[in-house]
Amino acid sequence: DAGVTQSPTHLIKTRGQQVTLRCSPISGHKSVSWYQQVLGQGPQFIFQYYEKEERGRGNFPDRFSARQFPNYSSELNVNALLLGDSALYLCASSLASTGGGSYNSPLHFGNGTRLTVT
Amino acid sequence: GIQVEQSPPDLILQEGANSTLRCNFSDSVNNLQWFHQNPWGQLINLFYIPSGTKQNGRLSATTVATERYSLLYISSSQTTDSGVYFCAVTSGYSTLTFGKGTMLLVSP
Repeated sequence: DAGVTQSPTHLIKTRGQQVTLRCSPISGHKSVSWYQQVLGQGPQFIFQYYEKEERGRGNFPDRFSARQFPNYSSELNVNALLLGDSALYLCASSLASTGGGSYNSPLHFGNGTRLTVT
Repeated sequence: GIQVEQSPPDLILQEGANSTLRCNFSDSVNNLQWFHQNPWGQLINLFYIPSGTKQNGRLSATTVATERYSLLYISSSQTTDSGVYFCAVTSGYSTLTFGKGTMLLVSP
């Protein structure tokens, strides 16, 4: 069975541009979450979607948005990129969630998209 | 929000040695997971263990929820065990909060 897949694997953008990252969850998983990981830190929660509805949002500016499609895949959009947005963006899926970024089943991560903003 | 502290921050082992990683948390939790992030950034779920003990090969984990800590044991370490080990918890409806991780280097 395929794991969580993310695309692209690497991306270089310039300040002010917009970026879209994509994620396909494990088959049967209805919960998709996005995390940002900067060097030397643990992942930080950005969004959680369950059954196509936003169930949680972390402490990120409105430049960050996301959506989940009927097939449970998801996109993360970041507008007006800043240098500080450079990070590894991780998508994770789980069977279920209790909402708000909380989970009552194991979380499985994709390999991430490494975004560099110059 | 809930605080998660992991220790030690760094650990260097010879291949074949055993180790114990610790995760302390500041509030009761309903979810605790251990992850391994390899040098290429891939984050692998090791255990979903809000309480009790689980074993998977050379790895085992114990969570004592009443005392607010969890331990990850690695026995007979191998070079492929190198990377960063994260503990992550949720409390109530809080978001999944990660600790800062323990960086493990296993030398041949």
